[in-house]
Amino acid sequence: QSALTQPASVSGSPGQSITVSCTGTSSDVGTYNYVSWYKQCPGKAPKLMIYGVGNRPSGVSNRFSGSKSGNTASLTISGLQAEDEGDYYCNSYTRSGTYVFGTGTKVTVL
Amino acid sequence: EVQLVQSGAEVKKPGESLKISCRGSGYNFNTNWIGWVRQKPGEGLEWMAIMKPDDSDIRYSPSSQGQVTISADKSISTAYLQWSSLKAPDTAMYYCVRGVSGYFDIWGQGTMVTVST
Repeated sequence: QSALTQPASVSGSPGQSITVSCTGTSSDVGTYNYVSWYKQCPGKAPKLMIYGVGNRPSGVSNRFSGSKSGNTASLTISGLQAEDEGDYYCNSYTRSGTYVFGTGTKVTVL
Repeated sequence: EVQLVQSGAEVKKPGESLKISCRGSGYNFNTNWIGWVRQKPGEGLEWMAIMKPDDSDIRYSPSSQGQVTISADKSISTAYLQWSSLKAPDTAMYYCVRGVSGYFDIWGQGTMVTVST
């Protein structure tokens, strides 16, 4: 069970949109719509940002959106703000009945 | 308020045993999945194990299978993660999580485990 593949870093200027990709296989991302995204700030526990591919929990800004195409899921942050900086991780349910996280992406606001 | 409260930091020697805990409150502990996520210093998140207290359905990641044991005491709404013989590479922050329909909506504050001579 290999970790899902994410870019190590993504950056953008305030107000811009950025997209973080999460590539898995037909045994996880490609088959199940149980893809979720988490944001982690330094020294803090991760926080759920997106679930079920593209659903936002209550309290999460509508600037965050998620999608999926084939074996790749994506998190888009529009209208980038300084507070969006942090590490972002994707997660997927797998055919084995377990879960797997992505390698993580550091988002930087320039 | 729905929350998961974990036990405090631990410092252990290689070969020692350890059991850390995670108490759930504000929701029906027995009917929700509860799991553990590891984060080694400076590294990413790694999913370890999950269980449903009500029917004892337990699943482990391939790398965690045989290395740790997940369990729960329904009477006190508490989940556990235990090691019989710790190793230096077990040094990490461990988070407990509530699993709901394929995602983890509630996270504990984390328990730092340090294994060192």
